[in-house]
Amino acid sequence: AQTVTQSQPEMSVQEAETVTLSCTYDTSESDYYLFWYKQPPSRQMILVIRQEAYKQQNATENRFSVNFQKAAKSFSLKISDSQLGDAAMYFCAYREVTGANSKLTFGKGITLSVRP
Amino acid sequence: DTGVSQDPRHKITKRGQNVTFRCDPISEHNRLYWYRQTLGQGPEFLTYFQNEAQLEKSRLLSDRFSAERPKGSFSTLEIQRTEQGDSAMYLCASSLGAPLTDTQYFGPGTRLTVL
Repeated sequence: AQTVTQSQPEMSVQEAETVTLSCTYDTSESDYYLFWYKQPPSRQMILVIRQEAYKQQNATENRFSVNFQKAAKSFSLKISDSQLGDAAMYFCAYREVTGANSKLTFGKGITLSVRP
Repeated sequence: DTGVSQDPRHKITKRGQNVTFRCDPISEHNRLYWYRQTLGQGPEFLTYFQNEAQLEKSRLLSDRFSAERPKGSFSTLEIQRTEQGDSAMYLCASSLGAPLTDTQYFGPGTRLTVL
């Protein structure tokens, strides 16, 4: 079974600085998708960024980018120019490509705080 | 389109009571997922619908849980004889179902507290 591990329960960053959130996963599949979701306090989960495993190029979305290391099964999220609105729980998630069920397998999440 | 909606947002019930939650997916989405999220944990998959067909159920879904999606539109999740261990956030998500673009969009969740 696939597993997703987020070993850092909490992180803090100064506003305007850069922070990296770590995620590792375990799978025997060669093709899959990886995601970072953001869950602000008392608000719904939203997709931050996605990465297809067959793509070597790291995904970027504005201030958010990933460092995808397939051999190491590592998928970290870098947030540049951190803003107060980035404070939230961040979840790393995995999804298979094959099969009808595209359920997500999530890590435990990391709470990010942003200091003004 | 206003996104995925869930009702109610909060539910407090006494142990042994039955509760029912509703999820309205994004209108053109044919896949609908239910997840459960306990405090300090990531969401865990419960069950999944492709249109009106329930195609997979997690082992987490005991026989006290039942989900339906009549006519492939909204879905309901019912918990019978609630237990304190059922206290959690119940999240619904929907997606188009296209393999390469099957991004799941989440609703705000229903927070269940069982006293």
